[in-house]
Amino acid sequence: DTGVSQNPRHKITKRGQNVTFRCDPISEHNRLYWYRQTLGQGPEFLTYFQNEAQLEKSRLLSDRFSAERPKGSFSTLEIQRTEQGDSAMYLCASSLRTESSYEQYFGPGTRLTVT
Amino acid sequence: DQQVKQNSPSLSVQEGRISILNCDYTNSMFDYFLWYKKYPAEGPTFLISISSIKDKNEDGRFTVFLNKSAKHLSLHIVPSQPGDSAVYFCATMDSNYQLIWGAGTKLIIKP
Repeated sequence: DTGVSQNPRHKITKRGQNVTFRCDPISEHNRLYWYRQTLGQGPEFLTYFQNEAQLEKSRLLSDRFSAERPKGSFSTLEIQRTEQGDSAMYLCASSLRTESSYEQYFGPGTRLTVT
Repeated sequence: DQQVKQNSPSLSVQEGRISILNCDYTNSMFDYFLWYKKYPAEGPTFLISISSIKDKNEDGRFTVFLNKSAKHLSLHIVPSQPGDSAVYFCATMDSNYQLIWGAGTKLIIKP
């Protein structure tokens, strides 16, 4: 299977702890996106990378959130000092930007529960 | 302020019939639209897209219609199958290529 993969699939943590999620995009895709989804809502954009450069960050991404994509391959999303409001599904997507195609392909997500 | 609206939280359709999912948007500058399907505990799966230069795009059982003057698009699934039961999201793309999503419509196909 050469789709987008995310690890872990589930994470339960206590408030105040740090967590890190990993995303492995489809290998030839140069763009990688992070989204957050809560129950009953569509995904909300957090940030995206083109190769290793982080080009856009949502105002939803507080200072406690940081994302990296070293070498333009996999990406990590770290949340420091987690709060209960951080509980959500964190989705990663990748795409290969062409003139006629904008589709983003999603991984299965990491469900974070902060207790 | 929601820029993409899916006003029906859920829709129930008999197997074999047509399912019609609706989506409205507010910004006439949006020019590319996508539909995704999501099963529980999985990420969204891309279904079909349409550019604003077209008013219809078809792929097998799935057809998307775009009415630019009404800022409305719809997804038609015919015939509906049990495996189509899922949450369907309408999304558009802003000038920075970020997806803006509706809240989703849960489609239930009754046998």
